[in-house]
Amino acid sequence: GEDVEQSLFLSVREGDSSVINCTYTDSSSTYLYWYKQEPGAGLQLLTYIFSNMDMKQDQRLTVLLNKKDKHLSLRIADTQTGDSAIYFCAEMYSSASKIIFGSGTRLSIRP
Amino acid sequence: DVKVTQSSRYLVKRTGEKVFLECVQDMDHENMFWYRQDPGLGLRLIYFSYDVKMKEKGDIPEGYSVSREKKERFSLILESASTNQTSMYLCASSLGMSNEKLFFGSGTQLSVL
Repeated sequence: GEDVEQSLFLSVREGDSSVINCTYTDSSSTYLYWYKQEPGAGLQLLTYIFSNMDMKQDQRLTVLLNKKDKHLSLRIADTQTGDSAIYFCAEMYSSASKIIFGSGTRLSIRP
Repeated sequence: DVKVTQSSRYLVKRTGEKVFLECVQDMDHENMFWYRQDPGLGLRLIYFSYDVKMKEKGDIPEGYSVSREKKERFSLILESASTNQTSMYLCASSLGMSNEKLFFGSGTQLSVL
């Protein structure tokens, strides 16, 4: 069935890189997304990748897609305190044209 | 920028009450969605709508209904609120093309006592 899985927590030191991982089940997904939710706010689209791409880079953000393993990752370089948030992985489930979200990874930054 | 506005940030209701959650978007988006967010469970789709007066059930529609009389407004209705409906409710909209980038409101935290 439809499922997107990610770990619930990640703690990194300020200035280090953060890597948030996600696995999904639908091999026919067309788009995969990363959303960010800051405290008290809704979700904001951070970046997305089309399924025929392996990598996408946008400033401090790097998205890697391994279609064979159905694995998606988000790397944040030089992590700052403003990066503290919950990060949601999501896939566009092509058979139903709907978006399935993971449970979210809470990223905390330690000094 | 797209703006999705949810009418209430916090709501407290009693068991059995009828509850209306309102959502308005200002970018003429075709699609609108209602999700609920619970710790450790992520976002679960309740209902969505691809057009005015059209609605589709999501993954957890039980206990909810929706109304979309105008394109810009999508309402979520709890006919008889129960304590297990205490949650954060998020409204979203999208343009309606193949890449469904969602734009979210800031959420309504509903507590049912």
